[in-house]
Amino acid sequence: GENVEQHPSTLSVQEGDSAVIKCTYSDSASNYFPWYKQELGKRPQLIIDIRSNVGEKKDQRIAVTLNKTAKHFSLHITETQPEDSAVYFCAASQGNNRLAFGKGNQVVVIP
Amino acid sequence: NAGVTQTPKFQVLKTGQSMTLQCAQDMNHEYMSWYRQDPGMGLRLIHYSVGAGITDQGEVPNGYNVSRSTTEDFPLRLLSAAPSQTSVYFCASTAQVGRGLTFGAGSRLTVL
Repeated sequence: GENVEQHPSTLSVQEGDSAVIKCTYSDSASNYFPWYKQELGKRPQLIIDIRSNVGEKKDQRIAVTLNKTAKHFSLHITETQPEDSAVYFCAASQGNNRLAFGKGNQVVVIP
Repeated sequence: NAGVTQTPKFQVLKTGQSMTLQCAQDMNHEYMSWYRQDPGMGLRLIHYSVGAGITDQGEVPNGYNVSRSTTEDFPLRLLSAAPSQTSVYFCASTAQVGRGLTFGAGSRLTVL
């Protein structure tokens, strides 16, 4: 099955700086790549997703890039704010509802 | 529109007891799934369903049963609880494959 890995496990950034989280996946047939944000004690929430026919997608301060050749995709958060502090999960699937999640990245935004 | 509703929020069981985690959604989503979340392990798929009457196993199905008699409900059953099933369980749904999941608030289960 699909194996998704995230790096780094913990990322600390100064408020206003950018944060980048990278995920790698193993199955070249995967074609759907969502990112979820989970605040402490809360449910995961979808923040952005990308499909394999697109190389980059942006939504305000958040962007995701996909490199199919290298089998990795990255989450970019610009102008970080304290409310961006959370655990971020990447996931991958072949579009069949069998989403495989990474183990998560803790992002800490230092005011 | 309540979204995905899970009950109970917290539960403590003794080893060998059985219980059912309830999940209901009011968005008319065909696809529903159960994940467990353990520290440092991310979210792992237990079982999923692509519609009423259809279920399939995920990554970690052992010790769990599911059924899908209606579009709205997707209960998860533990027939004989074990300490290894101590976890936070999330139910999630989506209208279409390849779309983002909507998660419930989670159910924290402790097995002693």
